[in-house]
Amino acid sequence: DAMVIQNPRYQVTQFGKPVTLSCSQTLNHNVMYWYQQKSSQAPKLLFHYYDKDFNNEADTPDNFQSRRPNTSFCFLDIRSPGLGDTAMYLCATSREAESNQPQHFGDGTRLSIL
Amino acid sequence: DAKTTQPPSMDCAEGRAANLPCNHSTISGNEYVYWYRQIHSQGPQYIIHGLKNNETNEMASLIITEDRKSSTLILPHATLRDTAVYYCIVRPYNNNDMRFGAGTRLTVKP
Repeated sequence: DAMVIQNPRYQVTQFGKPVTLSCSQTLNHNVMYWYQQKSSQAPKLLFHYYDKDFNNEADTPDNFQSRRPNTSFCFLDIRSPGLGDTAMYLCATSREAESNQPQHFGDGTRLSIL
Repeated sequence: DAKTTQPPSMDCAEGRAANLPCNHSTISGNEYVYWYRQIHSQGPQYIIHGLKNNETNEMASLIITEDRKSSTLILPHATLRDTAVYYCIVRPYNNNDMRFGAGTRLTVKP
């Protein structure tokens, strides 16, 4: 059974048109993460939530924002997507931030900007 | 920057053991070694992790050298479904920062 669910699996949007990607989890984990993975590259952490505390990576563009309305859901908002934002976006969860617990990933949303 | 070095690609015959090396010569005392794999069009899948002792689970074994500067992931009987990119990641205990390197593309051949 899928424990980290991302919707939609594929999303196409126009240059400059805001887009929201969603992630839900059934694991009741405290921490939720968003990664960006461009073609033939490794995943790159954008930000994470520890409960309601938001933690942004230093090099994450201001264009990318996130919301976590409750434990189960987390959203990635791209305010004005550019062609360079075409990528796979991965959501992950973990039980705690400060521990050796592994992260559990969803299968991603493949976003194409036209 | 990633703290690990892995060969970009490896081949393995189906049914044989796949041994994937990882160099992490700058590893610190509180850093764990994690292995994930990513099958095409899927999210990364956790395999195993360890600090200094060898570890084994239903998927794989992790062998860490005594000086902790390198490790090997062993898939004991590789199948075609093990074809994937395998990532070795060094991560501190108190930090959720998962810095993925380029990984090793393992191809299991019939």
